[in-house]
Amino acid sequence: SQKIEQNSEALNIQEGKTATLTCNYTNYSPAYLQWYRQDPGRGPVFLLLIRENEKEKRKERLKVTFDTTLKQSLFHITASQPADSATYLCALDTGRRALTFGSGTRLQVQP
Amino acid sequence: EPEVTQTPSHQVTQMGQEVILRCVPISNHLYFYWYRQILGQKVEFLVSFYNNEISEKSEIFDDQFSVERPDGSNFTLKIRSTKLEDSAMYFCASMETDSSYEQYFGPGTRLTVT
Repeated sequence: SQKIEQNSEALNIQEGKTATLTCNYTNYSPAYLQWYRQDPGRGPVFLLLIRENEKEKRKERLKVTFDTTLKQSLFHITASQPADSATYLCALDTGRRALTFGSGTRLQVQP
Repeated sequence: EPEVTQTPSHQVTQMGQEVILRCVPISNHLYFYWYRQILGQKVEFLVSFYNNEISEKSEIFDDQFSVERPDGSNFTLKIRSTKLEDSAMYFCASMETDSSYEQYFGPGTRLTVT
């Protein structure tokens, strides 16, 4: 079965810096990969989707890359703000739109 | 902005009891899901539902669980004979169409089995 690893359990950075989060997967390359944000006690919130034929996707201060050779996606937040502090989840569709989530990376942006 | 709603926000039940968790997906969405998240662990897929039937279910979703769309707006998850290990946050999600991919999650129901 598909496994997803988000290498960093926690990441602390200073406000204004770029946060880079990593998602690695095993087995087959998915047709697309998604990133979600989860705040404590809340449901995940969709951020970005990148397809297998896309190398990079951007939305405001967010950027996602997808390398099917490395089986890896990188998620970047530029000019980070304390309000960006949350857990970020990588998710793959394992069939009929059922998502398999990684364990997440907890980002803390220090003012 | 339309959103998925879930009730109750917190449910406490005794082991062996049945619980029903309720969700109201976004009105024009066609695909519905239940996920759970045990405290400190990852979000896990339970079941997907489309066209009034289960599309896919995980190995977690055994005979103890059932889902239903009793009317045009509600989507429910029933857990029979609850166990201590069923304690978790249960999230409902909906998706507009098969090509939209983006899932909208509700705020969750925290289930505590004592």
